[in-house]
Amino acid sequence: DADVTQTPRNRITKTGKRIMLECSQTKGHDRMYWYRQDPGLGLRLIYYSFDVKDINKGEISDGYSVSRQAQAKFSLSLESAIPNQTALYFCATSLAGVATGELFFGEGSRLTVL
Amino acid sequence: QQPVQSPQAVILREGEDAVINCSSSKALYSVHWYRQKHGEAPVFLMILLKGGEQKGHEKISASFNEKKQQSSLYLTASQLSYSGTYFCGTEEGESGGADGLTFGKGTHLIIQP
Repeated sequence: DADVTQTPRNRITKTGKRIMLECSQTKGHDRMYWYRQDPGLGLRLIYYSFDVKDINKGEISDGYSVSRQAQAKFSLSLESAIPNQTALYFCATSLAGVATGELFFGEGSRLTVL
Repeated sequence: QQPVQSPQAVILREGEDAVINCSSSKALYSVHWYRQKHGEAPVFLMILLKGGEQKGHEKISASFNEKKQQSSLYLTASQLSYSGTYFCGTEEGESGGADGLTFGKGTHLIIQP
């Protein structure tokens, strides 16, 4: 089984719908991240969390919200999806440290907003 | 601030060498390198911390010049398995661990037989 699991893996939805992408991990890491990947733009940070009570905005947080339900679970929500949120979304985890450690990525959730 | 990677793409024959560069206009604390194969998640290669160190991973090594805010990834005697998109991720400032990584746009590497 994967250490970092994302659900759903693929989702097609319509403009205006609320969508939740879920991430769970068995690595015991405190730090969790949500990244968005678009062709030619690389990976861009949406939100990150260093523990259950610590949530931080990344560079592209507008239109998104997150919830850290437990150390192992970090969910990303799109309250009202729009077509330009069509992308591949990755959840990642890392250990705490003086530098950001190795990121362990989930397999990705491909979201299409029509 | 998003680091700049160069080249955007490179095509090599198996056995040739490649260099991928990553640069920033900001002072960097650390540089991270990842490889992503088509349809898969990025996979960690190595981290370089401020101090100008060089690291190696089989035939893949990297350097970090903190004065120039640059890092280079060296792929020696490339193998077909090296094909993919390479991303550098950076942490700015005097210390790290406070924010996530900021990734470059990636360098597409194609290795031909």
